[in-house]
Amino acid sequence: QVQLVQSGAEVKRPGASVKVSCKASGYTFTDNYMHWVRQAPGQGLEWMGIIHPSTGSARYAQKFQGSVTMTRDTSTSTVYMEVSSLRSEDTAVYFCARDLTGPTTTFDYWGQGTLVTVSS
Amino acid sequence: DIQMTQSPSSLSASVGDRVTITCRASQSISNFLNWYQQKPGKAPKILIFAASTLQSGVPSRFSGSGSGTDFTLTISSLLPEDFATYYCQQSYSTPPTFGQGTKVEIK
Repeated sequence: QVQLVQSGAEVKRPGASVKVSCKASGYTFTDNYMHWVRQAPGQGLEWMGIIHPSTGSARYAQKFQGSVTMTRDTSTSTVYMEVSSLRSEDTAVYFCARDLTGPTTTFDYWGQGTLVTVSS
Repeated sequence: DIQMTQSPSSLSASVGDRVTITCRASQSISNFLNWYQQKPGKAPKILIFAASTLQSGVPSRFSGSGSGTDFTLTISSLLPEDFATYYCQQSYSTPPTFGQGTKVEIK
């Protein structure tokens, strides 16, 4: 069965960086695009970007260009998302989400989420 | 970016009730509309994609309809496990955008 398992919660100081991982299993890793979506406390869902696991090519929402980097490691079926220059407004749960096929921006499987807290 | 607006923002309902949630897009998105259910502390779960296609494993009491700019999610007979927040999301253009959510609470 398809599973996306994310790394654990993080607490970071403003200005620091954080790197969240998402390990995929139960399907061919390179067959489906992967997205990252975040959710601030008590708020809605915000799309951050997409990565093609086969090529490593990534595309980011305009808001996150320059501050977010998505990468992948095909040997471990893992995608990564790094956010730099963290601010308090980046406190959120970050989800990886698999694309239904590719790319449709329809999210059929989600990781459990990783809480990133930015606080001085 | 395409704006998605859901109504109502919240509703109270009883077990067995029929519930309808509306989602409106700021421009036509054909049938590129998905619905998700999210319970507290959990990841969203896809219910319906392409406006009316039920995801495998999702109970048939959930249904979706609409095209263009106006869409609805209907739960035909509410069960206790259906109390959650529901989000619509357009997959017509990048960036994909979500509605603000509709919280379904117990009456």
